[in-house]
Amino acid sequence: QKEVEQNSGPLSVPEGAIASLNCTYSDRGSQSFFWYRQYSGKSPELIMFIYSNGDKEDGRFTAQLNKASQYVSLLIRDSQPSDSATYLCAAERSAGNMLTFGGGTRLMVKP
Amino acid sequence: GAVVSQHPSRVICKSGTSVKIECRSLDFQATTMFWYRQFPKKSLMLMATSNEGSKATYEQGVEKDKFLINHASLTLSTLTVTSAHPEDSSFYICSGESGLPYNEQFFGPGTRLTVL
Repeated sequence: QKEVEQNSGPLSVPEGAIASLNCTYSDRGSQSFFWYRQYSGKSPELIMFIYSNGDKEDGRFTAQLNKASQYVSLLIRDSQPSDSATYLCAAERSAGNMLTFGGGTRLMVKP
Repeated sequence: GAVVSQHPSRVICKSGTSVKIECRSLDFQATTMFWYRQFPKKSLMLMATSNEGSKATYEQGVEKDKFLINHASLTLSTLTVTSAHPEDSSFYICSGESGLPYNEQFFGPGTRLTVL
C-alpha cells in the first residue's frame, strides 16, 4: 500500500469551475500536510500546508484536512488555464521531518 | 517563500564520470536539506536527508557510496553522482527546510542529468 495516494488523473475542468483534488495517507502519526504544484519539467512549488482539522483558505485555494479519515483535499476556485499542472500531496512522516509524496494528480483547465 | 538554487540546471555526461550538483538556500539557513530524484511522469522519491555538519541519512535502496552528499554549511549541500551510468539519468531536486514551526520545504529548480 502506498503511503500517500492520489488519483493520477487527468482531472479536466472548465475554466472558472472548482477543481477538487484529493489525497489519502496511511501514516496516522502524520501531523502536517502540504500541497505542491509542479509544472512539466519544473520543480515543485509550495501552494499550501495544513496541520489542523478543517479548512484553510488562501486566495483561490482551500485545503481541507480530516485526520480521522486520513484525508486531505485541495480546492481551487475559479480555475484558470494557468492552474493546469500536476498537484502533489505530501505528508510529513511521524518519524522525522521528511515528506512522503503522493504520485500527483494532473489537472487540466480548459478555456 | 524562501529561495533555493541549484547548479547546474542541466548536465550531460559520459558513462563512468562523476557529476556534482550544488544546492544553496539563498535567503534562509537550512539546517536540513533533502535530495530527491524524479523519473519522467513519476513522483518525487526521497534519496537522502542531509543535516549540516553530519552524515546524510539515506533512504532504503539508495547507495550512499554512489550518491555522495556533503552539507558543509547552513546554506550549501552537494550531491555527487559517482561513476554515473545511463540508469542514473533523472531529474534531481533538492529542498531546504525552513525550520520551526511548520518545517516547510522549499525546492530548488532541479538538475536534469543525462548520462550517455
